[in-house]
Amino acid sequence: AQKITQTQPGMFVQEKEAVTLDCTYDTSDPSYGLFWYKQPSSGEMIFLIYQGSYDQQNATEGRYSLNFQKARKSANLVISASQLGDSAMYFCAMRVGGYSTLTFGKGTMLLVSP
Amino acid sequence: DARVTQTPRHKVTEMGQEVTMRCQPILGHNTVFWYRQTMMQGLELLAYFRNRAPLDDSGMPKDRFSAEMPDATLATLKIQPSEPRDSAVYFCASGLWGGEKTEAFFGQGTRLTVV
Repeated sequence: AQKITQTQPGMFVQEKEAVTLDCTYDTSDPSYGLFWYKQPSSGEMIFLIYQGSYDQQNATEGRYSLNFQKARKSANLVISASQLGDSAMYFCAMRVGGYSTLTFGKGTMLLVSP
Repeated sequence: DARVTQTPRHKVTEMGQEVTMRCQPILGHNTVFWYRQTMMQGLELLAYFRNRAPLDDSGMPKDRFSAEMPDATLATLKIQPSEPRDSAVYFCASGLWGGEKTEAFFGQGTRLTVV
């Protein structure tokens, strides 16, 4: 069975600093993908970044990068130069193989202070 | 920008009434999901369609919930009869699975309150 673990219920960071949100996963399938979503207080789920298991390089999207360590089964989200608008809940999710659904972690609440 | 559209955004209904939530997936996406989000349970998968065919609805209470994709531009989730414990935010997501590209985008959700 697939499992996603986010061990940090909450994180605090000061504006302009970098922050890392942890995500570990468990699957025996060699083909999988990892997603990160942001959910601000407005409630929408915003797609941030995707990493496939066969991708040679770590994914980056603007200020977001994914620290993908396959051997450790971790896919941590790094947000550089935090902004006040980054305050939100962040979810890590995984899909396995070609016909699977998205399995979500429980999320990490990030608060960015001035 | 292509986006997943869900209607209605908010719904308040009385217990026992039928509720229908609609979703327009992104054109060209081959996968549609319905998720329910509550504080206690987090994000729970209710139903999953691939190329309009239902692949997994094991997370859905079959006696009252039903999910369909009558065509590629519309997915529906119905609750009949609704109960207070169904109060939650219901998300539709559409995705492109396999091939050269993988992506999955969520709609803005339907906030359902059953009184």
